[in-house]
Amino acid sequence: GAVVSQHPSRVICKSGTSVKIECRSLDFQATTMFWYRQFPKKSLMLMATSNEGSKATYEQGVEKDKFLINHASLTLSTLTVTSAHPEDSSFYICSARGGFYGYTFGSGTRLTVV
Amino acid sequence: AQTVTQSQPEMSVQEAETVTLSCTYDTSESDYYLFWYKQPPSRQMILVIRQEAYKQQNATENRFSVNFQKAAKSFSLKISDSQLGDAAMYFCAYRSNGGATNKLIFGTGTLLAVQP
Repeated sequence: GAVVSQHPSRVICKSGTSVKIECRSLDFQATTMFWYRQFPKKSLMLMATSNEGSKATYEQGVEKDKFLINHASLTLSTLTVTSAHPEDSSFYICSARGGFYGYTFGSGTRLTVV
Repeated sequence: AQTVTQSQPEMSVQEAETVTLSCTYDTSESDYYLFWYKQPPSRQMILVIRQEAYKQQNATENRFSVNFQKAAKSFSLKISDSQLGDAAMYFCAYRSNGGATNKLIFGTGTLLAVQP
């Protein structure tokens, strides 16, 4: 079945530094990828939609300069949290459009900013 | 804009019993998909079941079935013979079949506990 690999699964960084999260579709081509943020026991909040080879579309209220998304190939999308602060600590999940059921999710990244 | 509402923040069921999770949605579209996703403590999102709006027949996947009421915009999930492994957060989701990106719109989730 369709698999999306997301790395790292956990990351701790210092305030002010940048962190990159990778999302790879392993056995299918993902023309569209979605990035979500999830707070504990809360729903998934869509941050942005990225299409291969074009600029990401950000949801209202999401700072595009803080959350940089790159989708340079059909199998890789990255989310970079720039100048991270403690309020950016959260669980980030990617999802790729593709596979039999249409959407395949990565296993998530728990970001802690100290 | 479409919205998805899950009115039950938490539910509990005894092992081997049946439980129904509620979901309502609001849309002016006629062509769309509805999904139920499960998120266990590992936080990996797992597709449980999906329903195409143009299909009147309710979807079924083993112990999981839905009651899709298109006119009422209701999409409930029934879990039969509940097992301990069913304990998880369950999200109802909507996806338009039109548009360029077809993003998923999630409800707020229902945390299901299964009692032994």
